[in-house]
Amino acid sequence: AQSVTQLDSHVSVSEGTPVLLRCNYSSSYSPSLFWYVQHPNKGLQLLLKYTSAATLVKGINGFEAEFKKSETSFHLTKPSAHMSDAAEYFCVVSRNTGFQKLVFGTGTRLLVSP
Amino acid sequence: EAGVTQFPSHSVIEKGQTVTLRCDPISGHDNLYWYRRVMGKEIKFLLHFVKESKQDESGMPNNRFLAERTGGTYSTLKVQPAELEDSGVYFCASSQVIKETQYFGPGTRLLVL
Repeated sequence: AQSVTQLDSHVSVSEGTPVLLRCNYSSSYSPSLFWYVQHPNKGLQLLLKYTSAATLVKGINGFEAEFKKSETSFHLTKPSAHMSDAAEYFCVVSRNTGFQKLVFGTGTRLLVSP
Repeated sequence: EAGVTQFPSHSVIEKGQTVTLRCDPISGHDNLYWYRRVMGKEIKFLLHFVKESKQDESGMPNNRFLAERTGGTYSTLKVQPAELEDSGVYFCASSQVIKETQYFGPGTRLLVL
């Protein structure tokens, strides 16, 4: 079985300050991990994914995440927030092999103030 | 290249009525997935097609939901009869092969009154 816990439902930051969105996972299998973002009235967009290669994964728009097996975490970070980063972010886990049914966290809404 | 498209973007119906949602995957993508987000909950898997065959429908909530993918191109998801708890956002995603990234559509927002 697999599950994801996003520890914060809302995160507020000021423009130009660092972003940290926290995610813990549970998986009976070797996992693949993803972060997706959804801007208002848009589809879910893949930010980055981990599939058992390098543990530090770089994504689009300056985001990155580090896979820490010992802590079962996959936190999303960005050094400096931009107003356009305001959106809802989803941490997602799936099996690393075979059929990839995605299991989503409940989402974290990121608010960026000027 | 066009992305995954879904129609309609919004639907408001009364309890007991029927609604059909449509998804057009990215051209050439054999794998098509349906997911649903009920208000206040996480996005959950409904089912997966490989071409026109249902690979996994373990997430379908009950027999009021019927998904089809005739000809292995677009897919429809019919809810008949709709209940209040069916309200939510229905997402469709597609991928070229199973292990590849799933690309999502914008979703259909369904409200059952």
